[in-house]
Amino acid sequence: DAGVIQSPRHEVTEMGQEVTLRCKPISGHDYLFWYRQTMMRGLELLIYFNNNVPIDDSGMPEDRFSAKMPNASFSTLKIQPSEPRDSAVYFCASSTFRGQGNRDGYTFGSGTRLTVV
Amino acid sequence: DAKTTQPPSMDCAEGRAANLPCNHSTISGNEYVYWYRQIHSQGPQYIIHGLKNNETNEMASLIITEDRKSSTLILPHATLRDTAVYYCIVRRIGTGNQFYFGTGTSLTVIP
Repeated sequence: DAGVIQSPRHEVTEMGQEVTLRCKPISGHDYLFWYRQTMMRGLELLIYFNNNVPIDDSGMPEDRFSAKMPNASFSTLKIQPSEPRDSAVYFCASSTFRGQGNRDGYTFGSGTRLTVV
Repeated sequence: DAKTTQPPSMDCAEGRAANLPCNHSTISGNEYVYWYRQIHSQGPQYIIHGLKNNETNEMASLIITEDRKSSTLILPHATLRDTAVYYCIVRRIGTGNQFYFGTGTSLTVIP
């Protein structure tokens, strides 16, 4: 199992440009999460999906951010237009819920370090 | 989900046991205690979780007090590779499965 795969690992872009981050969850996992990590705010949950359907996007900072999950094996997080304050590490995680008391396989990817200049 | 309180940082000598405390005084009966750690620039990694009883696995032990208002993660023989930020998270089962991370404890293992 290759784990949760994120691409790219690093992204440097100019302010105003569109940025697309990609995530491939672990096969069989029915939950997918997008987190953002900065020094100031720590790890923030942005949005999560269950069976490809967005369940809670209350953590998405503003309309410039959007996320999609067109199928069970792929998700994107898009920022348009990007701003310097969007610079952060973006993590994707996937899991499946196996019921109380069971480890629920919450696995993170290696993250995408985004720098907006 | 219940909030947790952890010390911001701790040191531990290599080879000694690292005991990381967590307070969760508002925990409910159906909330589990989870521990994750994040090694620099990597994604958080699951360590252990429990409800009432103490738990042990190949990575660590989790001691939960009888009233469940606090817990301690124990790394029995800390190594330099255990230097990381450790997050204590309390989460209800059946609530969408999401985790909310606090600020955690930055553990430094000293040679």
